[in-house]
Amino acid sequence: GIQVEQSPPDLILQEGANSTLRCNFSDSVNNLQWFHQNPWGQLINLFYIPSGTKQNGRLSATTVATERYSLLYISSSQTTDSGVYFCAAVSYNTDKLIFGTGTRLQVFP
Amino acid sequence: DVKVTQSSRYLVKRTGEKVFLECVQDMDHENMFWYRQDPGLGLRLIYFSYDVKMKEKGDIPEGYSVSREKKERFSLILESASTNQTSMYLCASSLLASGRGTTQYFGPGTRLTVL
Repeated sequence: GIQVEQSPPDLILQEGANSTLRCNFSDSVNNLQWFHQNPWGQLINLFYIPSGTKQNGRLSATTVATERYSLLYISSSQTTDSGVYFCAAVSYNTDKLIFGTGTRLQVFP
Repeated sequence: DVKVTQSSRYLVKRTGEKVFLECVQDMDHENMFWYRQDPGLGLRLIYFSYDVKMKEKGDIPEGYSVSREKKERFSLILESASTNQTSMYLCASSLLASGRGTTQYFGPGTRLTVL
């Protein structure tokens, strides 16, 4: 099945800094999502982005489907951005959403 | 907004007990899912359902069963809880099957501890 890899595994930032999180996937996808898991465990949808670019406030995401990667950009980070960011994908020959192992982000004031 | 709720945020059970985890979604979604999340292993799919009374095994169904009697409700059952089932359990729902390109929405999770 499809493999989803995320980097870096851990990221420590000071408030106000920018960051880029990467997600590589091993097969063509028709579904790719980015999630933020907050410290209480809730998984929050950030983007549904199998291709192209989307922006939502300080966050934006780009998926280059032909090169099998997606990037999540966080600008002007805030302490509330802390948590784990997951990328998840579905390849064309399956219905299962496969998650990466996540990037743990810590933002300090 | 889509709302997915789970019956408990925290649950403590004893080995051998029968455990029910309930999940309800309010958006008339066709599909519902149960995952467990463990440190270092990420999220793993236990069971999913594409329709009422329909269920499909995920990647780790052993020790679990599910029930979907109504469209909005999907229950995960641990027939005889064991300590290795201590985990965070997450329910999700989506309008269409994941392979048809649709967003999954997650509930707040249930942290289950089996003593």
